[in-house]
Amino acid sequence: GAVVSQHPSRVICKSGTSVKIECRSLDFQATTMFWYRQFPKQSLMLMATSNEGSKATYEQGVEKDKFLINHASLTLSTLTVTSAHPEDSSFYICSARPPSPGQGRWRPYGYTFGSGTRLTVV
Amino acid sequence: KQEVTQIPAALSVPEGENLVLNCSFTDSAIYNLQWFRQDPGKGLTSLLLIQSSQREQTSGRLNASLDKSSGRSTLYIAASQPGDSATYLCAAIYAGGTSYGKLTFGQGTILTVHP
Repeated sequence: GAVVSQHPSRVICKSGTSVKIECRSLDFQATTMFWYRQFPKQSLMLMATSNEGSKATYEQGVEKDKFLINHASLTLSTLTVTSAHPEDSSFYICSARPPSPGQGRWRPYGYTFGSGTRLTVV
Repeated sequence: KQEVTQIPAALSVPEGENLVLNCSFTDSAIYNLQWFRQDPGKGLTSLLLIQSSQREQTSGRLNASLDKSSGRSTLYIAASQPGDSATYLCAAIYAGGTSYGKLTFGQGTILTVHP
């Protein structure tokens, strides 16, 4: 249980185009999803928190107009990299937090991550 | 500022050795701490989650401990195998203020277990 599916796993696009990455929770509802970025040999950096039915919360230094996040349902969040440039090339990973069984209020549970998307902008 | 540090940055051991990976965090008001494994070019696989009220968790050959007062967590791997080779990441989860529900990651320990 608690599987997060991320697509595509790899994408190459031309500079100036936009790319959409999908993150789906397969067997649970996720009111909150997180988007991370990872550069080679570095750890994960949180980009934004995606909230179902409301605007995403971006971390300091992340351009909200460049990285558009949509969380239209309880099982799907999307990250769109707009007008991509070579410096946007990176590994993007999403995460979701499954609810604890039988718990109505928020309670931290094991975070589950997608398999990641390798974006290369040429 | 909430920071997570992992030591060592890299570790190479022969197969069969028991080993310890260290994780320290600056803010002791963590809610949970989670250990992950990442294979090259892949996402993260959750290994163990320790809630703040717990001192350790075990899964197979893995044992993770948590000492909030000292700001430390350790991941113990018994009888290491070549398949254990990966990057191991610890992440602190905070429950208050602007850090609500967010994970703060360490830089990771790159583990290589050679036959």
